[in-house]
Amino acid sequence: GESVGLHLPTLSVQEGDNSIINCAYSNSASDYFIWYKQESGKGPQFIIDIRSNMDKRQGQRVTVLLNKTVKHLSLQIAATQPGDSAVYFCAENQNFGNEKLTFGTGTRLTIIP
Amino acid sequence: GAGVSQSPSNKVTEKGKDVELRCDPISGHTALYWYRQSLGQGLEFLIYFQGNSAPDKSGLPSDRFSAERTGGSVSTLTIQRTQQEDSAVYLCASSLVAGGTGGKLFFGSGTQLSVL
Repeated sequence: GESVGLHLPTLSVQEGDNSIINCAYSNSASDYFIWYKQESGKGPQFIIDIRSNMDKRQGQRVTVLLNKTVKHLSLQIAATQPGDSAVYFCAENQNFGNEKLTFGTGTRLTIIP
Repeated sequence: GAGVSQSPSNKVTEKGKDVELRCDPISGHTALYWYRQSLGQGLEFLIYFQGNSAPDKSGLPSDRFSAERTGGSVSTLTIQRTQQEDSAVYLCASSLVAGGTGGKLFFGSGTQLSVL
């Protein structure tokens, strides 16, 4: 079946360094992708999104890259801060007219002071 | 409040009992979603309400699970005859725009359900 998966379940990064979180998806029909951040005890929080007609989108300290050829998505966080420690989920929408998202398992990012 | 509100934040129940989980979406949001998150896992879609349309119930794991959305606002997720495998965090989310936005959801903090 279709799925969204992550390459690494955990990632530790030194404060101030850049981090990259990867995500693979298998449904070539997916046309919208979102990254969410979930801190302990809280619900996921929207970070950044990208449509399938784009290959890069930038926000504040975050960049999402989409490679449709290999069905790969990544989230880059620049100059990481302690507050970036959280679980990061990628999610895909397999039908842009339907907002039912399929979430990956998540990657736990730990920022080392 | 400004965000999605869920209650209770924690619920401990005995196997076989029924439970009701409540979600107050952001005012004006037309779409409402329920997801389930087991420990260390991703989010599992349960059900989706959009305006007056029939809800998408395709993610409900069994007929013990049901949900209602009254007046296009508050939603209640009901689990009957709870089982230990129902233990999880139940997350509610809402979004402002009707289909076509792709899925910028605003989540509540969830209800931690523990079935003993």
